[in-house]
Amino acid sequence: QQQVKQSPQSLIVQKGGISIINCAYENTAFDYFPWYQQFPGKGPALLIAIRPDVSEKKEGRFTISFNKSAKQFSLHIMDSQPGDSATYFCAASMEKGGGSNYKLTFGKGTLLTVNP
Amino acid sequence: DTGVSQDPRHKITKRGQNVTFRCDPISEHNRLYWYRQTLGQGPEFLTYFQNEAQLEKSRLLSDRFSAERPKGSFSTLEIQRTEQGDSAMYLCASSSRGYGYTFGSGTRLTVV
Repeated sequence: QQQVKQSPQSLIVQKGGISIINCAYENTAFDYFPWYQQFPGKGPALLIAIRPDVSEKKEGRFTISFNKSAKQFSLHIMDSQPGDSATYFCAASMEKGGGSNYKLTFGKGTLLTVNP
Repeated sequence: DTGVSQDPRHKITKRGQNVTFRCDPISEHNRLYWYRQTLGQGPEFLTYFQNEAQLEKSRLLSDRFSAERPKGSFSTLEIQRTEQGDSAMYLCASSSRGYGYTFGSGTRLTVV
């Protein structure tokens, strides 16, 4: 059972464009939704995260939009740059009722390519 | 602070052999996690330590897998009698509180 579904699998955008990656989750107990960026040969690095009490969070060129009723959240990368080319993972976790272990359930990832 | 270190970076082993991976977390982090990532997939949770106590193990962690964190410092993940299906990237992460994970660069295991 895949608890976090991510789309698209791959995405190609032009430099300066907007990259949008979507995720949907099933477990309504999830209460923390991060996005990770992973370059080849490296571990994932936290980009930005949101909790369900807000509908949007922005940090620099990265924005998370969150729709609690639809159980969906998305990552928007504004003014995409070639250096943003990487694999992006959404994830979800349940802090409350999860034993406070903070383990993450990841989506399958989106390979983003930003062309110069 | 040099981040989370994992050793080795790559390991090729023959089916049936035992392998052991090491993770050195950020020194002040008391929480340590192991995840497994296969090609085209996101990382999957394997196990979690708080200090030296192993508090949770995933069903993915069969009897052939064992993890330890003696004295709450570094951790080791051992796979006995490796199978081709064990080929994956094994990621270690540490944190001092909540979700502030720092992942290492992983150990890529290839079982031939």
